[in-house]
Amino acid sequence: GDSVTQMEGPVTLSEEAFLTINCTYTATGYPSLFWYVQYPGEGLQLLLKATKADDKGSNKGFEATYRKETTSFHLEKGSVQVSDSAVYFCALSGLGNAGKSTFGDGTTLTVKP
Amino acid sequence: DTGVSQDPRHKITKRGQNVTFRCDPISEHNRLYWYRQTLGQGPEFLTYFQNEAQLEKSRLLSDRFSAERPKGSFSTLEIQRTEQGDSAMYLCASSLGLDSDQFQQFFGPGTRLTVL
Repeated sequence: GDSVTQMEGPVTLSEEAFLTINCTYTATGYPSLFWYVQYPGEGLQLLLKATKADDKGSNKGFEATYRKETTSFHLEKGSVQVSDSAVYFCALSGLGNAGKSTFGDGTTLTVKP
Repeated sequence: DTGVSQDPRHKITKRGQNVTFRCDPISEHNRLYWYRQTLGQGPEFLTYFQNEAQLEKSRLLSDRFSAERPKGSFSTLEIQRTEQGDSAMYLCASSLGLDSDQFQQFFGPGTRLTVL
């Protein structure tokens, strides 16, 4: 079945540092890929998405590129802020799994001033 | 667009009691999904509906769990004879359909269940 593997956390960075959170996947067919963010006590918010190979999703300074050849969708941000502290989930969804979302286990990011 | 709403946001119950959660999807969305998220984990699929038809149930969904979506609008998730292991965040999501640009699911804020 489909699966998503995220780099193990937690990740602690200083403000303005560069962020990379790795995500790789296995899936049937050609899924869409997503990054969600979850702040403490809240639900999931879509951060960015990519629906086909080589697409780049971007939002709020975050970027991720759909790499079919390496089955990866790594999340990056050039300069993190304290307000970026949250849990980040990589996920996929597609025809091969009836549109259900399959999530990674999440990566907790803490940004220190 | 009011988004996906869930009620209640928090529920504390005693072991053995029954609980019911409600999800109101985005009005034009015909697909509705339930997920469970335990601490430190990503959400796990429980079940989904297309309109009023329940099309798939995960093996995580024991006989104590039942979900309905009458008239293809809101959905309810009921847990009978709750156990402490049922403590989790229950997330609802909706989507338009299976067109490749529309795999995106819109998530509600979740219902946090605590079983004492």
